[in-house]
Amino acid sequence: SQKIEQNSEALNIQEGKTATLTCNYTNYSPAYLQWYRQDPGRGPVFLLLIRENEKEKRKERLKVTFDTTLKQSLFHITASQPADSATYLCAPPGGGKLIFGQGTELSVKP
Amino acid sequence: DSGVTQTPKHLITATGQRVTLRCSPRSGDLSVYWYQQSLDQGLQFLIQYYNGEERAKGNILERFSAQQFPDLHSELNLSSLELGDSALYFCASSVGGRAYEQYFGPGTRLTVT
Repeated sequence: SQKIEQNSEALNIQEGKTATLTCNYTNYSPAYLQWYRQDPGRGPVFLLLIRENEKEKRKERLKVTFDTTLKQSLFHITASQPADSATYLCAPPGGGKLIFGQGTELSVKP
Repeated sequence: DSGVTQTPKHLITATGQRVTLRCSPRSGDLSVYWYQQSLDQGLQFLIQYYNGEERAKGNILERFSAQQFPDLHSELNLSSLELGDSALYFCASSVGGRAYEQYFGPGTRLTVT
């Protein structure tokens, strides 16, 4: 069955550094993949969508890569800030719906 | 503010009861999605409606049902509630039917006692 895996452990980094989050998928080949941000008790917020023919996509301090050979997407936040602290969810489609990963909790310390 | 509204924000009810959660999508969005999020399960897709028709179904229990009305708002009905149904229920909307760029509401926190 389709499976999504994100860094299971929380990621703690220092302000100003680059955070890199990983999303691995198995048993299928999604045509695109989305990343969302979720703060505690709130609904996820759409950040970026990357298609299989796009190797990289950027939006301000965010960068997403999509490696269909490795079946992996990397999500980078450059010059990280404490306000970037949140859980980040990877969501490729599957069977006509989005399959959300468990998320990686990012904590940026000042 | 995503533009998606959900009511009520909180709901506390007893086992065996029935509740209705309501969602209004962003203006212009035709798709509505319902998700359940509990601490140990992550975000689980329940069901999608597109322009009034059921489009995709996830792990939605038979005790749960949903519909989308002509004005595009949607309701999720949960019946014969069990303690395990306690969770955050999110509604999301998107312009088309292919799950691109979903905009989530603030959620309804359901507590079953």
